Amino acid sequence: QSALTQPASVSGSPGQSITISCTGTRSDVGGYNYVSWYQHHPGKAPKLLIYEVTNRPSGISLRFSGSKSGNTASLTISGLQAEDEADYYCSSYKYGDSLVFGGGTKVTVL
Amino acid sequence: QLQLQESGPGLVKPSETLSLTCTVSDDSISSDDYFWAWIRQPPGRGLEWIGSIPYRGMTYYSPSLRSRVALSVDTFNNQFSLKVNSVIAADTAVYYCAKSLGRGESSRAFDFWGQGTMVTVSS
Repeated sequence: QSALTQPASVSGSPGQSITISCTGTRSDVGGYNYVSWYQHHPGKAPKLLIYEVTNRPSGISLRFSGSKSGNTASLTISGLQAEDEADYYCSSYKYGDSLVFGGGTKVTVL
Repeated sequence: QLQLQESGPGLVKPSETLSLTCTVSDDSISSDDYFWAWIRQPPGRGLEWIGSIPYRGMTYYSPSLRSRVALSVDTFNNQFSLKVNSVIAADTAVYYCAKSLGRGESSRAFDFWGQGTMVTVSS
């Protein structure tokens, strides 16, 4: 069982917006602004989409945005595209100099 | 574009030591600006952080694996390595190496990853 809780799957039609949640505790998500999000196409290297809750690395589409409220962080994908079909993982710094990940969310573009 | 490549045995016997190496495509491993990490994914499960090591300074390990894991850096060969002792079936996973965005707060996110290597623990 992963430290952070994500929905197993989320789906949407092309052009729609979807949101993936990532729920932790005050010791990780709720206590620090060090939540990251990764996109993973199976067989490929994971890609960093969001770091420190809301920041996008250079080259990442504006369609990806992050937010946080209390112990839950969220990733929103706007204007859903076929290429967005992948697994998405959140991670967070955890008290005690540790890092924890979520169990992953499979995004399906209908 | 920086590249990372994992290498090592794909099959390890129970109770033995799992050893993996990550080769970095340039000499950024000798920089004080980054951490170098290992992350794994057991079949059908989520990602699990194993540990992060800088060129110089303190190495950080997952509390659940600290007693069995060791990370090291080889700047001469632009590589860093992972050893997991006394492996069990639950150590079966795809193992990824990764580079952090930076040091400090930026050490908690990873912007370059290898493609991963599958390691099976079985007799």
